[in-house]
Amino acid sequence: DTAVSQTPKYLVTQMGNDKSIKCEQNLGHDTMYWYKQDSKKFLKIMFSYNNKELIINETVPNRFSPKSPDKAHLNLHINSLELGDSAVYFCAVKTTREQYFGPGTRLTVT
Amino acid sequence: GENVEQHPSTLSVQEGDSAVIKCTYSDSASNYFPWYKQELGKGPQLIIDIRSNVGEKKDQRIAVTLNKTAKHFSLHITETQPEDSAVYFCAALPGQNQGGKLIFGQGTELSVKP
Repeated sequence: DTAVSQTPKYLVTQMGNDKSIKCEQNLGHDTMYWYKQDSKKFLKIMFSYNNKELIINETVPNRFSPKSPDKAHLNLHINSLELGDSAVYFCAVKTTREQYFGPGTRLTVT
Repeated sequence: GENVEQHPSTLSVQEGDSAVIKCTYSDSASNYFPWYKQELGKGPQLIIDIRSNVGEKKDQRIAVTLNKTAKHFSLHITETQPEDSAVYFCAALPGQNQGGKLIFGQGTELSVKP
C-alpha cells in the first residue's frame, strides 16, 4: 500500500475554474501538510493540519482552502484558479522521524 | 524567522567522484537538519538527517556534517553513481517548532555523468 497518495497526478484546467486535489495517508500519524513547488523547484509550505485542526497557514491566498474530513485525509480546494497557481503540489505526513511526501500533483492552469 | 541558503544550485560530477552540497541556516535554535532527494516526477524522499547534538553522521556513501557555531551543514556523496542524479534539498527545523514546519533550501540539481 502506498503510504501517501494524491489524486489526480496531473490536472490541467482553465483560469477561473475551481479544482480540488486529494491526499490520503495510511501512516497513522496526525500531522499533514501541503507544499507548493514552483518551476524553480523551490518547496514552500502552505498549510499544516494536526488531527483535523489547522496549525499553519503560510500567507496563502484565501482562494486556497484545505479541508480535513478525517485524520487520514487532507484535501486542497482552489477557487478561481490563476496562471500563477501552476505548480506541483505535494502532500506530506509528519511521522516520528521525517516528513513523508506524496508523489505530487502537477497543476497546469491555462 | 529561519532562512536556509543552499549552494550550488547545479552540480555536475563524473561517475565515481565525490559531490558536496552546502547549506547555511539563520536560526541558532534550529535543532534538526534533514536532507531530501527528489527524483524526476516524484516527491522528495528523506535520505539522511542529523540533529543538533551530533557533528557528523554517515550512511554508506552519504554523510552529513553539522557545524553549529558556523550554522552550516553539508551533504557529502562519495563514489557517485548515475542513479544519484536528482535534486537534493536541505532543510532545517526551527527551534520554535511550529507544528514541525521545515524550512527548505533552494535545491541542488546533481548530475552524475557516466
